[in-house]
Amino acid sequence: GAVVSQHPSWVICKSGTSVKIECRSLDFQATTMFWYRQFPKQSLMLMATSNEGSKATYEQGVEKDKFLINHASLTLSTLTVTSAHPEDSSFYICSALKGGQGTYEQYFGPGTRLTVT
Amino acid sequence: GNSVTQMEGPVTLSEEAFLTINCTYTATGYPSLFWYVQYPGEGLQLLLKATKADDKGSNKGFEATYRKETTSFHLEKGSVQVSDSAVYFCALSYNTNAGKSTFGDGTTLTVKP
Repeated sequence: GAVVSQHPSWVICKSGTSVKIECRSLDFQATTMFWYRQFPKQSLMLMATSNEGSKATYEQGVEKDKFLINHASLTLSTLTVTSAHPEDSSFYICSALKGGQGTYEQYFGPGTRLTVT
Repeated sequence: GNSVTQMEGPVTLSEEAFLTINCTYTATGYPSLFWYVQYPGEGLQLLLKATKADDKGSNKGFEATYRKETTSFHLEKGSVQVSDSAVYFCALSYNTNAGKSTFGDGTTLTVKP
């Protein structure tokens, strides 16, 4: 199988603090992981592409200094929301790509619910 | 650019009813097409996929056929169950773009007993 975990599953933090979310591929190596944000009853918005050993690629409109991404190993990517504010409250979902040679499949984590008070 | 348009929800059906959720796409070339399902409070799970024209993806009684002539990938199930209640997302991606996906807005399905 292909399992992706996220930690924590939910977190509440105070405005102005930073929060780190981990995304792990448990039984495969992933050179590429994606971070999405999902608002209630809406689709997934791709925030950034995380590449192992290199800088993340951010989508237009996403502040790279606010959403720090580190992909330090082939099984772990982290998203740090810096100086969080209530408008950052959301459901954050990561996914990891499995495959190669031009054939990929995307496996999703269970999501992390962030609430900023 | 690429885009995916899904039938607007929410969709409410009685158990054992027939389900169709429409999905059309705009893209160049030959993307792969996917249906994902999201249960409340969870991430997305791949339901089925098709990688080329006329392919039919199927899983758990759901199926969808890749129709290039109509740029569609409609999801169908002959007899829905209460446990099928979830949000369904249609998506496309290109293998040449390292799996980066474009998602539709999602369709919420509620099945009543």
